[in-house]
Amino acid sequence: DVKVTQSSRYLVKRTGEKVFLECVQDMDHENMFWYRQDPGLGLRLIYFSYDVKMKEKGDIPEGYSVSREKKERFSLILESASTNQTSMYLCASSRPPGQNQPQHFGDGTRLSIL
Amino acid sequence: AQSVTQPDIHITVSEGASLELRCNYSYGATPYLFWYVQSPGQGLQLLLKYFSGDTLVQGIKGFEAEFKRSQSSFNLRKPSVHWSDAAEYFCAVGFYNQGGKLIFGQGTELSVKP
Repeated sequence: DVKVTQSSRYLVKRTGEKVFLECVQDMDHENMFWYRQDPGLGLRLIYFSYDVKMKEKGDIPEGYSVSREKKERFSLILESASTNQTSMYLCASSRPPGQNQPQHFGDGTRLSIL
Repeated sequence: AQSVTQPDIHITVSEGASLELRCNYSYGATPYLFWYVQSPGQGLQLLLKYFSGDTLVQGIKGFEAEFKRSQSSFNLRKPSVHWSDAAEYFCAVGFYNQGGKLIFGQGTELSVKP
């Protein structure tokens, strides 16, 4: 089974802090994704990466950055956390689209910014 | 812009009753489609997927979905709901020219009455 592991289930940080959310997958997937989930809005894509050191903006990249130094690890960075970034963050990984495989999700990190 | 609509935010059904959750997408290209389920505090679990071929697909836990290209729909069905099916359900659509990104619906929360 594919395993996508997010480093923290719950995280509490203060406004203005630099926050790192880590995600590791064990299936050698090329693609990795960061979403945020808010009630009534579904999942919205923040950033994704289709290869090491490659990244592309999703629908809501403002206030976030990412890092992918190794294939199995994809980090989401909140440069200066703000209260409107309090949310559930989900990481996912997948093969490239032509291989007809779904995205696999981690359990999520519930982040609170005080 | 591409979008996925789940018209029902919340549905309540009696245990043993049938279920249909609706999903519609906008865009003209050939899609691939998924249904995911999320229990409280958990990540997303894949229920079923459609890439090509038979438009009626079977998934886990007795769920099925039918892709209707003419209606741009991918509705999820189950003939007899169990109390353990109470969760939030997300429809997701991808397109082969979009690099593996998925567009998610807003989600439908399912409650099951005894």
